[in-house]
Amino acid sequence: GENVEQHPSTLSVQEGDSAVIKCTYSDSASNYFPWYKQELGKRPQLIIDIRSNVGEKKDQRIAVTLNKTAKHFSLHITETQPEDSAVYFCAASNTGYQKVTFGTGTKLQVIP
Amino acid sequence: DAGVIQSPRHEVTEMGQEVTLRCKPISGHNSLFWYRQTMMRGLELLIYFNNNVPIDDSGMPEDRFSAKMPNASFSTLKIQPSEPRDSAVYFCASSYTRATDTQYFGPGTRLTVL
Repeated sequence: GENVEQHPSTLSVQEGDSAVIKCTYSDSASNYFPWYKQELGKRPQLIIDIRSNVGEKKDQRIAVTLNKTAKHFSLHITETQPEDSAVYFCAASNTGYQKVTFGTGTKLQVIP
Repeated sequence: DAGVIQSPRHEVTEMGQEVTLRCKPISGHNSLFWYRQTMMRGLELLIYFNNNVPIDDSGMPEDRFSAKMPNASFSTLKIQPSEPRDSAVYFCASSYTRATDTQYFGPGTRLTVL
């Protein structure tokens, strides 16, 4: 089955700086990579996703990059704000297996 | 749409008791997922259904756990008998057709087993 590793487990940045969270996956058949944000006491919510036919996707201050050769994908948050403070989960799946495997999460703290 | 609905939101029970968690997926969604979240183990997929049929239950920890989806608008996760190590937040999520469609999570049920 798929195995997703996520680093770092915690990340502190100053407001306005950038944050990068990295994930690796094991199953070369994976072709869908969502990222979820979970605020304290709340449910996980999708913030961005990328499919294997593209290498990068952007949505305002958030971007995700994918390197299929290295089986590696990353979340980039620019100009961080205190409201970005949350736990971020990466995940991997493929349309054939129909199962999403989550990483262990990164707790991001943005210091005002 | 009200989103995914879960009940109860909080459940406190004593060891050995039966616990039933309920979920109503978003109308029109064909896939439903049950997750368990703990500090130690993170977010774990327990079981998922497609068109009311269980597709993968390999994440169900043991025979004490069972899940059903009698129709497209309702699912239950039952723990019998419950144990303190079952204490966690249980999330239900649904997606339109497949696991690779966006999953929408419910608010979760915080279970405490004393």
